[in-house]
Amino acid sequence: NAGVTQTPKFQVLKTGQSMTLQCAQDMNHNSMYWYRQDPGMGLRLIYYSASEGTTDKGEVPNGYNVSRLNKREFSLRLESAAPSQTSVYFCASSELTGPNYGYTFGSGTRLTVV
Amino acid sequence: AQSVTQLDSHVSVSEGTPVLLRCNYSSSYSPSLFWYVQHPNKGLQLLLKYTSAATLVKGINGFEAEFKKSETSFHLTKPSAHMSDAAEYFCVVRRNSGYALNFGKGTSLLVTP
Repeated sequence: NAGVTQTPKFQVLKTGQSMTLQCAQDMNHNSMYWYRQDPGMGLRLIYYSASEGTTDKGEVPNGYNVSRLNKREFSLRLESAAPSQTSVYFCASSELTGPNYGYTFGSGTRLTVV
Repeated sequence: AQSVTQLDSHVSVSEGTPVLLRCNYSSSYSPSLFWYVQHPNKGLQLLLKYTSAATLVKGINGFEAEFKKSETSFHLTKPSAHMSDAAEYFCVVRRNSGYALNFGKGTSLLVTP
């Protein structure tokens, strides 16, 4: 099925370890996003990529880096994980014009940093 | 800046009674507004979206929302709650910069028998 695919679905890291969360979409969308979800906080934007080759910071970028590898893929990297980065991470992509205007979310990655 | 405020963090209704989840928005421009639902340990599902067409928007599963510019509100309603409606609901506005979405903090809906 067409959509946004995130890997892995679950991950446990030790403090100081690094990892990359992968996201790929097959809808030919130009824009892609990374959010984190914490209880009582809703979803908060970490980074976004309005189009291939561009990335910008969102509300909570500290401790993260991103790469828009190509039009399909947008990865999120934690260089030195901290317990405060324990969260559920969602990737999304969007079609911003026309009858299919809207946003598609991946199923999430549940990350625990111990 | 575009933002939304969900006025209730928890709402409890009895099965078969109406549901009202309240959302106010702040936007300098005509906003794009959405409601998403998240069932426990699940992903996000779009309920409905407003993009400056009809002010009364109908969504899935019997939900609807009315855009009221004079009140800067976009409340979500359903005439009769079902047990399966128990979930977290998010009111969302699209940012004008970068077109990302700004989420409210969520309203947890509890439906009792």
